[in-house]
Amino acid sequence: DQQVKQNSPSLSVQEGRISILNCDYTNSMFDYFLWYKKYPAEGPTFLISISSIKDKNEDGRFTVFLNKSAKHLSLHIVPSQPGDSAVYFCAAYAGGTSYGKLTFGQGTILTVHP
Amino acid sequence: NAGVTQTPKFQVLKTGQSMTLQCAQDMNHNSMYWYRQDPGMGLRLIYYSASEGTTDKGEVPNGYNVSRLNKREFSLRLESAAPSQTSVYFCASNRGGGVGYGYTFGSGTRLTVV
Repeated sequence: DQQVKQNSPSLSVQEGRISILNCDYTNSMFDYFLWYKKYPAEGPTFLISISSIKDKNEDGRFTVFLNKSAKHLSLHIVPSQPGDSAVYFCAAYAGGTSYGKLTFGQGTILTVHP
Repeated sequence: NAGVTQTPKFQVLKTGQSMTLQCAQDMNHNSMYWYRQDPGMGLRLIYYSASEGTTDKGEVPNGYNVSRLNKREFSLRLESAAPSQTSVYFCASNRGGGVGYGYTFGSGTRLTVV
């Protein structure tokens, strides 16, 4: 059972426009959410995170929104740049004794066209 | 600063052969993890080590064993490789006590079992 789902395998946007990547989760115990970015032949790198006590977190061009009632989060990239082209993974964490274990979504391939 | 180093980067095995994937981190992190990435599946946790001297199973542990050799090193062993273990393997570390700063990942080992 996929507890974290990214239903869009790919997304294509024009440079300068907004990119919106979506993620849904089913486990109500998740209380922390993260986004990772992955380039080919590299490991994923941490991008931005949000605690369940917040509904928005910003870091430069990147904003993550959390809707707990809908069990949905999204990553907004504004403005999108060609260098943002990568695979984006959503991940979730349930505190307590999870020992930092993350549950990842399937990933969304973002392509930003010049 | 090397971060998380994985060796080898590529490996081809025949069915039934064994091998050990090596991982070392130089960030004095307490927790370490092994994930596998498969198309359409995202990253799935194989094993993790919350702290030196402890290891535990993740979501997909069958066919694997691990050793937390010391605080720096966490190895993954395939005793009898199967084609279903063809994947990209990522090691990650986390300072522990939650995931507020995300994981640091290695660059991956691409394993093919024929």
